Amino acid sequence: AQSVTQLGSHVSVSEGALVLLRCNYSSSVPPYLFWYVQYPNQGLQLLLKYTSAATLVKGINGFEAEFKKSETSFHLTKPSAHMSDAAEYFCAVTLTGGGNKLTFGTGTQLKVEL
Amino acid sequence: EAQVTQNPRYLITVTGKKLTVTCSQNMNHEYMSWYRQDPGLGLRQIYYSMNVEVTDKGDVPEGYKVSRKEKRNFPLILESPSPNQTSLYFCASSLGIFNTEAFFGQGTRLTVV
Repeated sequence: AQSVTQLGSHVSVSEGALVLLRCNYSSSVPPYLFWYVQYPNQGLQLLLKYTSAATLVKGINGFEAEFKKSETSFHLTKPSAHMSDAAEYFCAVTLTGGGNKLTFGTGTQLKVEL
Repeated sequence: EAQVTQNPRYLITVTGKKLTVTCSQNMNHEYMSWYRQDPGLGLRQIYYSMNVEVTDKGDVPEGYKVSRKEKRNFPLILESPSPNQTSLYFCASSLGIFNTEAFFGQGTRLTVV
């Protein structure tokens, strides 16, 4: 079965500091991996996705993620946090042969402090 | 503008009173799904549909029904709502499932008393 684990339900950083949100996946076949962001009172929107074309994926708003097969990880990073980055972030996975669904992690709430 | 529209955004109802949450997309997507979001649990899939008249259960289908009579619409039906169905619900659509972006509605916050 496919699954993702997000370590840390809450992460707090200072404005200008590095953002690192962790995601590990469980899969016996190559996965498709996604990061979605949810701003308050809104639906989710795609930040970036891994599709096996390149291990380092760049997304919107300066975010990027690196697929590391050896570590089964797909951590999300941003070099310098901005107040507007405060939101909840979800890692998600889907697999061929893994059922017709996108499976989400439990989410990480990012707080950015002055 | 490409969008997924859910209605209503907020709903308070009583136990046992049937309700429907509507979802409509204007992107001609074949795949649509419903999720519920609960604190600490992330999003869990309720039902999905791969095309008109094709629906299937997700991870938490108990107490819910769906239908897909038209490509653009995918309503969620709660025949007899109970308090444990109090949650934030999202509809999503995409071209496919495996390598495509899912587009989400704004959400429906349902409270069952």
